[in-house]
This record gives sequence, structure tokens and C-alpha cells, in this order.
Amino acid sequence: GQQLNQSPQSMFIQEGEDVSMNCTSSSIFNTWLWYKQDPGEGPVLLIALYKAGELTSNGRLTAQFGITRKDSFLNISASIPSDVGIYFCAPAGNNRKLIWGLGTSLAVNP
Amino acid sequence: DARVTQTPRHKVTEMGQEVTMRCQPILGHNTVFWYRQTMMQGLELLAYFRNRAPLDDSGMPKDRFSAEMPDATLATLKIQPSEPRDSAVYFCATGTSGGTLDTQYFGPGTRLTVL
Repeated sequence: GQQLNQSPQSMFIQEGEDVSMNCTSSSIFNTWLWYKQDPGEGPVLLIALYKAGELTSNGRLTAQFGITRKDSFLNISASIPSDVGIYFCAPAGNNRKLIWGLGTSLAVNP
Repeated sequence: DARVTQTPRHKVTEMGQEVTMRCQPILGHNTVFWYRQTMMQGLELLAYFRNRAPLDDSGMPKDRFSAEMPDATLATLKIQPSEPRDSAVYFCATGTSGGTLDTQYFGPGTRLTVL
């Protein structure tokens, strides 16, 4: 089956620091989505990437769809306490089915 | 502010009991996804409906799980009989089909504990 590696598994940072996380796979995908899950809630879509090489920003968040279509990264600049949560990458291939990473758990120390 | 509604939010039951989880899609959404989330496995897709028709339930244990959409405003996920290994958070996500990908908006989840 398709393997998706999301790293790091967890991060503990100081408020104001920049954060970087990524997902890699041995499979090629057509779409990369990044979601954030707050405690006790369902995941919320942050950024959607539809083209290899695409770089997209949403406020302090920036994500890129890798040129090989096998990876993606998400950066958060100047982290704040409300950035706490679990971040998931979720790529999809031709079958339109999302594959979910295990998540990166982010903790921010004020 | 339209949201996916899930009930109950929490459920504690004993092994062998039937469990029914409900989801109300956002008005106008024609796709419904059921996921199970655990620490070990992450988010697993159990079932996927489009226009109330089941498209994919390959991730769902068929012997005890069933998913239905009696009408466009209600999706249900049933477990009968429940087992301790079914303890997890169950999410419903709804969206609209089209383009390169079906969008998915998640509900708050049902946290199920089977004793």
C-alpha cells in the first residue's frame, strides 16, 4: 500500500519561532492538503496544493507541493500559542482518496 | 456558520452493545466520509458516500460495522456488537464533489469508549 511519512512526530517550540514540517512518500500524488486538528475537534483544512512545485501561503502558513509530487512541506512563521495542535498532510492520487499522515503534534511555549 | 453536526459527542458502552453514531451534513453537501481516529493508526477511512450512494466501504469491518444515509440530512454509522478495540474517535466529514478532489469538512467527532 501507499506509505506516507510525516515528520517530525512532535515539536515543542517557543512562541515566535518558525516551524517546519514535511511529508514524504514513495508514491506520486496529484493533490496535497494540509489540515490542523485542535484538541477535541475535527481537522480543519489549512492549505490545498494542486500542482507540482506550487507554493501557497495562508497568513503565516506556507506550503509547497514538491516537484517530484512525492513530498510537501508546511512552514509556520512567528508561531503563537493558538498554533498548538496536530498538523496532518493528506495527499490524494488519481482515485481522489485522501491518504493521511500520522500527524505532527505542535506545542508552543508562551 | 454552517457546520457538520455529530451526535453523540461522547459514548461509553459495554462490550456487545449496539452503538449508533449520527452525522448531519452541511446543507447542500453531497459527499459524506466516515473516519476512525486512534493514536496508533491515525485517521482511517471507513466509508464514503456520494449522493447518498455508498462508493467505498473497503476500510470498514463488514461483520460488525454498517453505514447508511437514510436521507440527505442524516448519515449513520452503527457498530453491532461493539468490542473494546472499537474505542476511538469517529469523525464524519462532508463536502461537495467536483474538480480534482472532493472537499471534506469535518465534524467534531464522537469519542467512543467500549468497556
